[in-house]
Amino acid sequence: GENVEQHPSTLSVQEGDSAVIKCTYSDSASNYFPWYKQELGKGPQLIIDIRSNVGEKKDQRIAVTLNKTAKHFSLHITETQPEDSAVYFCAASIGGSNSGYALNFGKGTSLLVTP
Amino acid sequence: GAVVSQHPSRVICKSGTSVKIECRSLDFQATTMFWYRQFPKQSLMLMATSNEGSKATYEQGVEKDKFLINHASLTLSTLTVTSAHPEDSSFYICSAPSRQVNSPLHFGNGTRLTVT
Repeated sequence: GENVEQHPSTLSVQEGDSAVIKCTYSDSASNYFPWYKQELGKGPQLIIDIRSNVGEKKDQRIAVTLNKTAKHFSLHITETQPEDSAVYFCAASIGGSNSGYALNFGKGTSLLVTP
Repeated sequence: GAVVSQHPSRVICKSGTSVKIECRSLDFQATTMFWYRQFPKQSLMLMATSNEGSKATYEQGVEKDKFLINHASLTLSTLTVTSAHPEDSSFYICSAPSRQVNSPLHFGNGTRLTVT
């Protein structure tokens, strides 16, 4: 079936450095790509999203890029802080906008930011 | 902003019993809600799509008679794990989109189910 590949599975960076997480998807009908941050014992929290008509989106220290031709998208966190430590999931919509926002998730990236 | 509330946050039950998990949209109406399951250190797997006023749609491999879904109102969907077994122990998370155009998917805080 359709799936989302996410790399790396773990990422350790020093405070102040940048972190990059990459995802690829296979469903060519996907048109919505959110990123979620999940802290231990909690549900995922949306941090940024991008739609297939936009190539890049930025929100303060967080940016996402999308290459629809290559079917990959990336999350960039600059000036990382210890509180950025969490598991990050990329996701792609199952089908197009009529799918009701059902999502396929990547396997997650455990980000550790060390002081 | 839009909030999805899930209850209970943790539940422990004995094998053979049933457990009901509630998912509420607090300040918006949701005709559709999604139920996910997450094993430790793994990703979220879509189990089913809950549709208000009609039957839920289950993903391949998910037993509809074991995971009963009811979406009786525009703000409430319930997932009942029937005759629970230890292998049903997992983290169950619901989510819902608001009706606003291009709105994101909002997730509840999940329910940690432990079956002993």
